[in-house]
Amino acid sequence: DSGVTQTPKHLITATGQRVTLRCSPRSGDLSVYWYQQSLDQGLQFLIQYYNGEERAKGNILERFSAQQFPDLHSELNLSSLELGDSALYFCASSVASAGGTYEQYFGPGTRLTVT
Amino acid sequence: ILNVEQSPQSLHVQEGDSTNFTCSFPSSNFYALHWYRWETAKSPEALFVMTLNGDEKKKGRISATLNTKEGYSYLYIKGSQPEDSATYLCALVSYNTDKLIFGTGTRLQVFP
Repeated sequence: DSGVTQTPKHLITATGQRVTLRCSPRSGDLSVYWYQQSLDQGLQFLIQYYNGEERAKGNILERFSAQQFPDLHSELNLSSLELGDSALYFCASSVASAGGTYEQYFGPGTRLTVT
Repeated sequence: ILNVEQSPQSLHVQEGDSTNFTCSFPSSNFYALHWYRWETAKSPEALFVMTLNGDEKKKGRISATLNTKEGYSYLYIKGSQPEDSATYLCALVSYNTDKLIFGTGTRLQVFP
């Protein structure tokens, strides 16, 4: 158990809908990262927050947005969902803003299925 | 686009065999390299974070080496056990960014 929690575990929704994925980092970790893993693709970095501020952005679609709240939990909002958004979404946390030299702790993931 | 290559894509070994696999990256973009172990139906688990040329890390039967000048890292598993079966991911962090760029992994299967 990494100490990172994600809810829900599974989500099935229809195209065009909007969903929110939730992540609580390990106690003491200030950075939260979001990753997407689609079929036949590796882990793709989406976005990072550090202590409530956006720190780095990856290949995140404009239909997706995220935020980190004062209690450090983070939410990833996916809107106007398309079939291709079906994927496993991981959240990870680390202690510092410079994620490069600190290991990241991954949550169990949310499996999103868009039908 | 920063490219992280891992080879082989998959590997099947017998229990007791030692094995190794490679992570290659553009050396000019290097800042840090991470290795993660990802078991089926679980989440990636950090093994090592490496930053220095010539760095060598060890955790039990698993060790890793790093050559930043030539742009590669090796992960070694000594005396593989069935519980070592997993996908091993490496990820590069380049200068001026905190993003981890993951390779597609090496899938290891250890047969008893």
